Amino acid sequence: GENVEQHPSTLSVQEGDSAVIKCTYSDSASNYFPWYKQELGKGPQLIIDIRSNVGEKKDQRIAVTLNKTAKHFSLHITETQPEDSAVYFCAASWGGGFKTIFGAGTRLFVKA
Amino acid sequence: ETGVTQSPTHLIKTRGQQVTLRCSSQSGHNTVSWYQQALGQGPQFIFQYYREEENGRGNFPPRFSGLQFPNYSSELNVNALELDDSALYLCASSRLGGGGGETQYFGPGTRLLVL
Repeated sequence: GENVEQHPSTLSVQEGDSAVIKCTYSDSASNYFPWYKQELGKGPQLIIDIRSNVGEKKDQRIAVTLNKTAKHFSLHITETQPEDSAVYFCAASWGGGFKTIFGAGTRLFVKA
Repeated sequence: ETGVTQSPTHLIKTRGQQVTLRCSSQSGHNTVSWYQQALGQGPQFIFQYYREEENGRGNFPPRFSGLQFPNYSSELNVNALELDDSALYLCASSRLGGGGGETQYFGPGTRLLVL
């Protein structure tokens, strides 16, 4: 069945360093790839998304890249801050959100 | 904050009981999706409601059912609760047919504990 693999499961960086989280998806019909940040006791918050007709998108310190041929997409956070510490989820979907498949999550620790 | 609200925030039930969880979608949205998030895992898609009808379903048994109302709010019902149903239940709202309909905004979730 459809699957999204996410790596690493845990990532620890020093404040100011960059963090990279990578995902691979299996369903070639997927055309929308959101990234969510989830803090303790809260629901996932959309931080950036990319559609299949775009290879890269950037929003301030956050960027996402997509390689449709390899079915890879990645989240890049630059100049990390302690408040970036959270669990990050990638997801792949098609059909208006129907059948959105999430990765297992990456717990990011940013040390001050 | 997304404007998606869920109630209750926490709930404790015993095995075999039934539970109803509620979700109010963000203003302007017409679609609600429900997810189950077990501890330490990513959200798992349960089903989606659009125009008051089920628009797609994940790998969950029929004892998981739902409703969507004319104001686009939604309910998730789970019958014959099992211990493994203990999880955070998330709803997400979106707007199909308006462009960018894939973008889903999540509520804070309802944490269900089955004893």
